[in-house]
Amino acid sequence: DTEVTQTPKHLVMGMTNKKSLKCEQHMGHRAMYWYKQKAKKPPELMFVYSYEKLSINESVPSRFSPECPNSSLLNLHLHALQPEDSALYLCASSQIASGGVHNEQFFGPGTRLTVL
Amino acid sequence: DQQVKQNSPSLSVQEGRISILNCDYTNSMFDYFLWYKKYPAEGPTFLISISSIKDKNEDGRFTVFLNKSAKHLSLHIVPSQPGDSAVYFCAASASTGNQFYFGTGTSLTVIP
Repeated sequence: DTEVTQTPKHLVMGMTNKKSLKCEQHMGHRAMYWYKQKAKKPPELMFVYSYEKLSINESVPSRFSPECPNSSLLNLHLHALQPEDSALYLCASSQIASGGVHNEQFFGPGTRLTVL
Repeated sequence: DQQVKQNSPSLSVQEGRISILNCDYTNSMFDYFLWYKKYPAEGPTFLISISSIKDKNEDGRFTVFLNKSAKHLSLHIVPSQPGDSAVYFCAASASTGNQFYFGTGTSLTVIP
């Protein structure tokens, strides 16, 4: 299985809602990532988990809350988002090689989020 | 500050000809480089990579060249096919870190 899956594919939410994005991989990768991508822009790193521990938080507002319940799952909890948070949210995973180097990332198809 | 740059936002090439996509980086600590291909409404797909100990890596129709002194890499696609039409991102990382830095992407259109 060389796939990263993400659910839901599309999500529309109001500014007062609480929702979660889910990501799953069964490739045995021990690094998982959340990216945000706006149209015609590169993916923007939000969070990195290494061995189920949060290793990078790129100064993301607290209305985004990541969670890594186990080595195969990654969640992104959303609360009180703003319309400017509307974007494609991408999950990725990668192997961690010896020395802690992260290999190439495999991306999921993304969740298209619209905040009204 | 954009550490990885793709200065051409778009490129059009005739089917069967060569496509050359360019990427520049500023951080001399980067030692691992990748190219991703992205179709609309899909996540990026890994295409090919190169580490700084090499200056060329080839995989079928795709070849990546690395010029460390110029901090420049390029992706050659030969021959180009209409199915290659997509946005191509280059990315770079340093073995001392655990994150990848992406360029802004080049939209390739291969004209039949």
